[in-house]
Amino acid sequence: DAGVTQSPTHLIKTRGQQVTLRCSPKSGHDTVSWYQQALGQGPQFIFQYYEEEERQRGNFPDRFSGHQFPNYSSELNVNALLLGDSALYLCASSFRRGDVNTEAFFGQGTRLTVV
Amino acid sequence: KQEVTQIPAALSVPEGENLVLNCSFTDSAIYNLQWFRQDPGKGLTSLLLIQSSQREQTSGRLNASLDKSSGRSTLYIAASQPGDSATYLCAGGPYGNKLVFGAGTILRVKS
Repeated sequence: DAGVTQSPTHLIKTRGQQVTLRCSPKSGHDTVSWYQQALGQGPQFIFQYYEEEERQRGNFPDRFSGHQFPNYSSELNVNALLLGDSALYLCASSFRRGDVNTEAFFGQGTRLTVV
Repeated sequence: KQEVTQIPAALSVPEGENLVLNCSFTDSAIYNLQWFRQDPGKGLTSLLLIQSSQREQTSGRLNASLDKSSGRSTLYIAASQPGDSATYLCAGGPYGNKLVFGAGTILRVKS
């Protein structure tokens, strides 16, 4: 089992550009959540995808959008990048039972630097 | 709104010492409480999961407890080793759908 995999591992972008980050969930998991972690802080919830729909969203602007594919993998897109978007972006996968998600497993993250 | 606080923010101990990390949360309507380890610049490794119907979980030298009535969880690490040095994060949320994290405790175990 490869666990949760994210790509790329590192990325450098210029202000105003757009970026796409990718995540493949752990085998058997159907739910993907994205988190942003600034230096020295805990991860902040961005949004969660289940059955190819956004189910929950944190306090992030519409510049942050996502997608989930039929194979449960997911993308996070950020438009009009700001310097403040520089962070470690983490993907977590879990399995949904009714309204409840099981234990979350995280990938190694994508380090995004905006210059 | 769920808020999670971790105390202490940083801890430095000699090898072999037993230690306790604390996590408090404001909303007792918490479903799962997870403890994670994070090495510098890396992702999160799940250490222990306590479901709402449970009070504690154990894995090797780690033991985590959950008291929903007081809004507290503790992570106990026995016989600490230099390899335990990392940031420890606790997280929980209603129905486990969205995890709310604390800022973490940075642990350094000196050899």
